[in-house]
Amino acid sequence: NAGVMQNPRHLVRRRGQEARLRCSPMKGHSHVYWYRQLPEEGLKFMVYLQKENIIDESGMPKERFSAEFPKEGPSILRIQQVVRGDSAAYFCASSPLAGVGSGELFFGEGSRLTVL
Amino acid sequence: SQQGEEDPQALSIQEGENATMNCSYKTSINNLQWYRQNSGRGLVHLILIRSNEREKHSGRLRVTLDTSKKSSSLLITASRAADTASYFCANLNGSSNTGKLIFGQGTTLQVKP
Repeated sequence: NAGVMQNPRHLVRRRGQEARLRCSPMKGHSHVYWYRQLPEEGLKFMVYLQKENIIDESGMPKERFSAEFPKEGPSILRIQQVVRGDSAAYFCASSPLAGVGSGELFFGEGSRLTVL
Repeated sequence: SQQGEEDPQALSIQEGENATMNCSYKTSINNLQWYRQNSGRGLVHLILIRSNEREKHSGRLRVTLDTSKKSSSLLITASRAADTASYFCANLNGSSNTGKLIFGQGTTLQVKP
């Protein structure tokens, strides 16, 4: 049973380019979370999605960032017109449950974005 | 900000010693979880303690929760060099219906052989 799969593991972009990060949740999991981690810091929540629905995007920057989790295929975090401040590790996590009483999140290995 | 705080930020001990990390949070919680992150890797779930529990054990790990002080501690007994990692607490907001975890800043633990 494969874990949460993220790709690419490393991505280098120049300022102004687009970055697309992909996440396939664990089999049987229908809830996906994206977090961002700056060097030497904790994880900051970005967005929570279920299939075809954005449930909570309170941590997403208002501009340039978008996320989707289509009926078929992986969840995608898209960053348009990247800037140096977007350089970070982006982690995807999945769970089979959500809400009160839910348990642990299962994390991928992360995608490390470097903006030149 | 809902981010909790962890204390200490960094901890260095000798193999065999115990390591204690503390975590404080700001809102009411449903549960509190501890995760481990090796350098350059993703987070791995260690242990979950619910708001109506005060203490929980798992192998060499012991977690306590004091909801009156909004704090939790993680104790690793008989530490090993392989325990070297960053440790994060994360809480599930009591009013949340999304399962969104709020993470602390983490404690970096170094265990010297």
